[in-house]
Amino acid sequence: QQQVKQSPQSLIVQKGGISIINCAYENTAFDYFPWYQQFPGKGPALLIAIRPDVSEKKEGRFTISFNKSAKQFSLHIMDSQPGDSATYFCAARGFQKLVFGTGTRLLVSP
Amino acid sequence: GAVVSQHPSRVICKSGTSVKIECRSLDFQATTMFWYRQFPKQSLMLMATSNEGSKATYEQGVEKDKFLINHASLTLSTLTVTSAHPEDSSFYICSARESGTNIFDFFGQGTRLTVV
Repeated sequence: QQQVKQSPQSLIVQKGGISIINCAYENTAFDYFPWYQQFPGKGPALLIAIRPDVSEKKEGRFTISFNKSAKQFSLHIMDSQPGDSATYFCAARGFQKLVFGTGTRLLVSP
Repeated sequence: GAVVSQHPSRVICKSGTSVKIECRSLDFQATTMFWYRQFPKQSLMLMATSNEGSKATYEQGVEKDKFLINHASLTLSTLTVTSAHPEDSSFYICSARESGTNIFDFFGQGTRLTVV
């Protein structure tokens, strides 16, 4: 299965709160899991990425948690800011191609 | 950081004409580039994989004669939408994979194509 399931579809978080977005996959051949941030009318920008042999990776306010046995991974945005309001896509790479999740529209209220 | 430049950012063309979109990796070499299509409020759908010096590999359902892809150098790939029709109107995005590490995919800023 080449699908990556992403939830929630949309998310509203207060400024300073934690935003959590979840993804799940089926294909155990996926070997790389990036997260992208996309603003309206722009291309996606790489935020953070993880390999399946690592359970957690943190870069600034962004953390990926990876559960290989459950085939799930999540993005945590700490201290969420209004400037974080965007659409976030998880992705998984298999056979050299990226498969994208359906996206989560995050709105951080002031 | 790695920069991918896509041009033009917006284009309006008449039905039946062809449009060329360029994708350049500015500060790295990319053996492999990818072309995606994105409809409003939807995810990115891979159209084709472009390898330098060889023919592109198209995803199932993508018409190779309509969407011509050329990857003539390690820094440039082009997508030509031939005989465009209103249903081809969409947001087209390219990405380039850094040859050195062969890990990271960096995306262009996208091209909004409107066919009238």
